[in-house]
Amino acid sequence: QKEVEQNSGPLSVPEGAIASLNCTYSDRGSQSFFWYRQYSGKSPELIMFIYSNGDKEDGRFTAQLNKASQYVSLLIRDSQPSDSATYLCAVNRGKLIFGQGTELSVKP
Amino acid sequence: DARVTQTPRDKVTEMGQEVTMRCQPILGHNTVFWYRQTMMQGLELLAYFRNRAPLDDSGMPKDRFSAEMPDATLATLKIQPSEPRDSAVYFCASGLAGHGNEQFFGPGTRLTVL
Repeated sequence: QKEVEQNSGPLSVPEGAIASLNCTYSDRGSQSFFWYRQYSGKSPELIMFIYSNGDKEDGRFTAQLNKASQYVSLLIRDSQPSDSATYLCAVNRGKLIFGQGTELSVKP
Repeated sequence: DARVTQTPRDKVTEMGQEVTMRCQPILGHNTVFWYRQTMMQGLELLAYFRNRAPLDDSGMPKDRFSAEMPDATLATLKIQPSEPRDSAVYFCASGLAGHGNEQFFGPGTRLTVL
């Protein structure tokens, strides 16, 4: 079992819809969680991070953390074609452990 | 505009040659990471430094890879000798310890070993 797992996708959603990206992790001791976005041929860029159970909102993005179930998710509201990218989940184990990423495609 | 810089951006070399990649972390950041990204393996941590001291290089093949931080503004990753399986994009990232391990990535070095 990988330490951080994500569906590779591609996840395809129509423009304006909510995109839901999910990530599970194996180490219950993990304390903080990160979402990065990576456009094709570019480097990962930090979208947001979350430490506490519940929701954290930043603009169109909402991160959700459930430590009991060991999952973290990212919701993107009003999805735009410019959101099309690979989304990487990372778990802090003293160093960041990244999942394989989920490819998101937002269709106009 | 603070950002991580990496050189070279692209490198094509022949098997057996030495390759050196350089990274300038964001000024003031005390933690530097080296990652390798391939389609098959995704983003893998090779090594990282805090306050210039190596903390973890368990992800790095020791026989051919070496990472150093000669000073706070320069980190290097060296491969000697290079092999075709080393072809990948190598990212450097920097962060500030105590800030939850947020990391900011450089543009990467695309390495092709023929």
